[in-house]
Amino acid sequence: QLQLQESGPGLVKPSETLSLTCTVSGGSIGSSTNYWGWVRQPPGKGLEWIGTIYYSGGTYDNPSLKSRVTMSVDTSKNQFSLKLGSVTAADTAIYYCARHEVGSTYINYFHYWGQGTLVTVSS
Amino acid sequence: DIQMTQSPSSLSASVGDRVTITCRASQSISSYLNWYQQKPGKTPKLLIYAVSSLQSGVPSRFSGSGSGTDFTLTISSLQPEDFATYYCQQSYNTPYTFGQGTKLEIK
Repeated sequence: QLQLQESGPGLVKPSETLSLTCTVSGGSIGSSTNYWGWVRQPPGKGLEWIGTIYYSGGTYDNPSLKSRVTMSVDTSKNQFSLKLGSVTAADTAIYYCARHEVGSTYINYFHYWGQGTLVTVSS
Repeated sequence: DIQMTQSPSSLSASVGDRVTITCRASQSISSYLNWYQQKPGKTPKLLIYAVSSLQSGVPSRFSGSGSGTDFTLTISSLQPEDFATYYCQQSYNTPYTFGQGTKLEIK
């Protein structure tokens, strides 16, 4: 059973960079069929897709985040990471990592999810 | 961006009821429509993908239908564990977007 676990600081100051890592267990991050995504959820609100990274490092992200997103993969550690720059209070949210299943026709969804980590942006 | 609008935003129902939640896309998304269930304090869980394909382990009382812009999630006979918030999500193109959620509460 694939398991994902987010880790990183729970408190980030405004204008600084939020950094999170997702550790994958029970499977290899480096499979050619594997995409890995980040989704966030402000407290009490809905879900927002942040971005997705392919195991080889190719990425695509949400333009609403205005190019503040950087994602990377470390296959040796079976981890992938998210950096979100120039954060404000609006970036306060639960951040989830997830396996992004992308396959044949119509197959495109978030399957295995981490438990989520709350990141608060505050001075 | 494709806007996903769910209705209703909240719904009260009783155990045993048949419940339908609607999701409308601002443009055609073919069959790139997924449904997730989220219980308070828990991670979203994939219920249905590609409009009507039931994720492994999800009870058969859940079903999905639709195409183009209009989609529905139906729970044929509500069980106590089904009270949660449900989100639709389009994966037709980026940015992938979710509906605002439908909170299903016990009447």
